[in-house]
Amino acid sequence: EVQLVESGGGLVQPGGSLRLSCAASGFTFNSYEMNWVRQAPGKGLQWLSYISDSGDTIQYADSVKGRFTISRDNAKNSLYLHMNSLRAEDTAVYYCARERGYNIFDYWGQGTPVTVSS
Amino acid sequence: DIVMTQSPLSLTVTPGEPASISCRSSQSLLYSNGYNYLGWYLQKPGQSPQLLIYLGSNRASGVPDRFSGSESGTDFTLKISRVEAGDVGIYYCMQALQTPYSFGQGTKLEIK
Repeated sequence: EVQLVESGGGLVQPGGSLRLSCAASGFTFNSYEMNWVRQAPGKGLQWLSYISDSGDTIQYADSVKGRFTISRDNAKNSLYLHMNSLRAEDTAVYYCARERGYNIFDYWGQGTPVTVSS
Repeated sequence: DIVMTQSPLSLTVTPGEPASISCRSSQSLLYSNGYNYLGWYLQKPGQSPQLLIYLGSNRASGVPDRFSGSESGTDFTLKISRVEAGDVGIYYCMQALQTPYSFGQGTKLEIK
């Protein structure tokens, strides 16, 4: 069974940092591209970042470029999102999502909440 | 960047009746392989999104055949032939042709 389990969310002050993790199981992690998507309270879905199966290709939304860093450790079946210079508007539930062929997001984690507040 | 526009933003349907959600992209989502890179996702209350339809009109595994997707140029439609109580939630279209991937605003489906 495919499982994606996010962790690392919490309360952080503006300007602070946080590292989110996404533990993958039930599939060959190093064969799949991965993404991070977030959802602010009461709002819609926003794509944040993409990483290829090998980690060689990375893309970001403009809203997080230069502040967030996506990475993966295929030996540990894990995806990460390092978030720096956090702002109030980064408050959201953060989801990791598996991307299969044809850029389809076929599995999503349950999400981890991040609150940026003083 | 590609902008996705959904309508309506909310929908109240009687069980057993059909429902239709529209999604328009600001530019073509047609890739050179002949597929539109458009997916539909449902986020049920308190849950993470789940894939319903991929490549414009293909049902994901386990999705009832009450759900169907259609395409016409930059216009895409999700249809539910007979709405059930378990279909409540927010439906999103998403373009995956190019990054930044983008979602529609979401359509909230409620049962009458």
